[in-house]
Amino acid sequence: DARVTQTPRHKVTEMGQEVTMRCQPILGHNTVFWYRQTMMQGLELLAYFRNRAPLDDSGMPKDRFSAEMPDATLATLKIQPSEPRDSAVYFCASGLVLGDVNQPQHFGDGTRLSIL
Amino acid sequence: EDQVTQSPEALRLQEGESSSLNCSYTVSGLRGLFWYRQDPGKGPEFLFTLYSAGEEKEKERLKATLTKKESFLHITAPKPEDSATYLCAVRGTGFQKLVFGTGTRLLVSP
Repeated sequence: DARVTQTPRHKVTEMGQEVTMRCQPILGHNTVFWYRQTMMQGLELLAYFRNRAPLDDSGMPKDRFSAEMPDATLATLKIQPSEPRDSAVYFCASGLVLGDVNQPQHFGDGTRLSIL
Repeated sequence: EDQVTQSPEALRLQEGESSSLNCSYTVSGLRGLFWYRQDPGKGPEFLFTLYSAGEEKEKERLKATLTKKESFLHITAPKPEDSATYLCAVRGTGFQKLVFGTGTRLLVSP
């Protein structure tokens, strides 16, 4: 089964450090999504891309977060500088959009981030 | 604004004891209601998509149904391996965007 791959799986770092999370979407998928999951808020959409173009990043704190897709096989989410409130599990998901057809999103297993 | 509310927050069942999970939603122009299963330390795993009221989907011991205001995930004769968090999400007219509920944590005891 094709899967979304996320690295690293776990990251512990100190406040103020830069954090980069990576995602390899499923081959052939043309949409990529970044979510953050916390106990309090559940799953929140941070940003999403279609055909590598950012379509919506309104869920992301712009002053410290950035998301990019340098090529079709790699999506990145960066936090600089990181803060303790950024501690959460970050998920990447990918999907296929063909006209109006609603293909389900498929998720990776996440990056568990702890900012000390 | 699209919203999803799931109930109960947590549910404990004995093996074989059937029950239902609820997902209530408000959305402008439903373009799909999705059920996912999430195990600890894992990402959500896709289960079903429902598109219109009256639609039903089944997979093993799970059956999902949809009305104009809510969806139910029925679990028949559950087993301990069905223990997980079940997430509901809706897609409205916003492009590909999913809005998730906070989930129901299901524990099935042997």
